[in-house]
Amino acid sequence: GQQLNQSPQSMFIQEGEDVSMNCTSSSIFNTWLWYKQEPGEGPVLLIALYKAGELTSNGRLTAQFGITRKDSFLNISASIPSDVGIYFCAGPDYSGNTGKLIFGQGTTLQVKP
Amino acid sequence: DTGVSQDPRHKITKRGQNVTFRCDPISEHNRLYWYRQTLGQGPEFLTYFQNEAQLEKSRLLSDRFSAERPKGSFSTLEIQRTEQGDSAMYLCASSAGQNYGYTFGSGTRLTVV
Repeated sequence: GQQLNQSPQSMFIQEGEDVSMNCTSSSIFNTWLWYKQEPGEGPVLLIALYKAGELTSNGRLTAQFGITRKDSFLNISASIPSDVGIYFCAGPDYSGNTGKLIFGQGTTLQVKP
Repeated sequence: DTGVSQDPRHKITKRGQNVTFRCDPISEHNRLYWYRQTLGQGPEFLTYFQNEAQLEKSRLLSDRFSAERPKGSFSTLEIQRTEQGDSAMYLCASSAGQNYGYTFGSGTRLTVV
């Protein structure tokens, strides 16, 4: 079945550093989504990607839809303490026409001030 | 509209008891989803409503679980005869049509003791 693998599993960085994380799959996706989840809260949508090769920014965040359609990347520039959280990639489950999503296992980001 | 609301935020229950959670979606959203999230994992799909019709249920949703969305507005998720393995965060999300970038609520954290 469809699965999403995220790496790295966790990152501990210094404030001001740039961050890069990725998400890969053995299946093709036509949509990639990146969510951020803070402790005790639900995931919040950061960026949605709809076309292979697409590069989309949201402030200091930039995400790319891989040209093979089997991967996506999220970069955070000049990290700040409030970037702390778990970042999930997600893609549509094509087993039905319901709009349900499959999520990766997440990349946990810790930022040291 | 303040987004997707879930109630309660936290629930501690004894094994064997029944629990019910409520979700109020964004008012103009016709699709409503329930997901379950355990520690260290991404959200996993449980069930989905389009208006008042429950259109898909995951195999994760045993016969102890039931969900309703009367009149296509709020939804409830009931777990009967809770087990320790039911301890998780239960997330509700809503969307307008088949829009994958849906909005999550803050979740209900269930602890079964």
